[in-house]
Amino acid sequence: GAGVSQTPSNKVTEKGKYVELRCDPISGHTALYWYRQSLGQGPEFLIYFQGTGAADDSGLPNDRFFAVRPEGSVSTLKIQRTERGDSAVYLCASSGDPGLHEQFFGPGTRLTVL
Amino acid sequence: GESVGLHLPTLSVQEGDNSIINCAYSNSASDYFIWYKQESGKGPQFIIDIRSNMDKRQGQRVTVLLNKTVKHLSLQIAATQPGDSAVYFCAEMGAGGTSYGKLTFGQGTILTVHP
Repeated sequence: GAGVSQTPSNKVTEKGKYVELRCDPISGHTALYWYRQSLGQGPEFLIYFQGTGAADDSGLPNDRFFAVRPEGSVSTLKIQRTERGDSAVYLCASSGDPGLHEQFFGPGTRLTVL
Repeated sequence: GESVGLHLPTLSVQEGDNSIINCAYSNSASDYFIWYKQESGKGPQFIIDIRSNMDKRQGQRVTVLLNKTVKHLSLQIAATQPGDSAVYFCAEMGAGGTSYGKLTFGQGTILTVHP
C-alpha cells in the first residue's frame, strides 16, 4: 500500500517568505507527527496530531511555525517569515495510535532558505 | 535536558561480519527504545523496538539489547550486508506525560559495509 507522502520534495525560498509543506499520511492512521532534521543530526520533534487536534506542539520552535490537520488526514506545516536557520529536512510520520513506536516516515521535504 | 546519544559516529565492517551499534540514554523514565535506519534521501525506517521491562529482543538478523543499569542500548546486526549501509538512530518514547507520542532521537551512527 501507499506510504506517507510529502510535497514538495524540495523547496527553495527567500528569507522572509511564507512556505507550506504538505503531508499525506497512511490511510487510516489517526496519529501524525512532524519532525525537523538538520544535517548530521537525528530528527527533532515538532508537533503531533491525534485526529484533527494538536495533542502536543511543544516542539514548535516559535510562533512562526504552525501546523493544521483540518479533516484528520492531510496535514500542512506552515512557516511564516522564513529565516536561514529554518533550512532543514522536514519529516512527517504517521501511526495507527500515538502510543505506537513504529512511526512510518515520509521521504521529507528539504527546505532551503536563501 | 534529557537526551539519547551515541558512542560511535561511524562504523565500517566487511560484508558477512556482525555489526554492533551502541547508544547511551539518559532518560530513565523512557518506556520504549527504538532503532531506526535511514538511507540517504529517505525518511527513517523502523527496525526493532524494546520495552523498558525487557533486556533483549530479537528480530530478523537484528537483536536489541537494553542495559538499564548503565543506560545503554545496542543494536546487533548479524551477517551484515551492503544493503545495511545507512545511518542508524536510536530513539526513545515515554509511556505517558510529555514524552507520550513523540520520539526523541540520538545523533546517529553511520554504518558502512564493504563487499
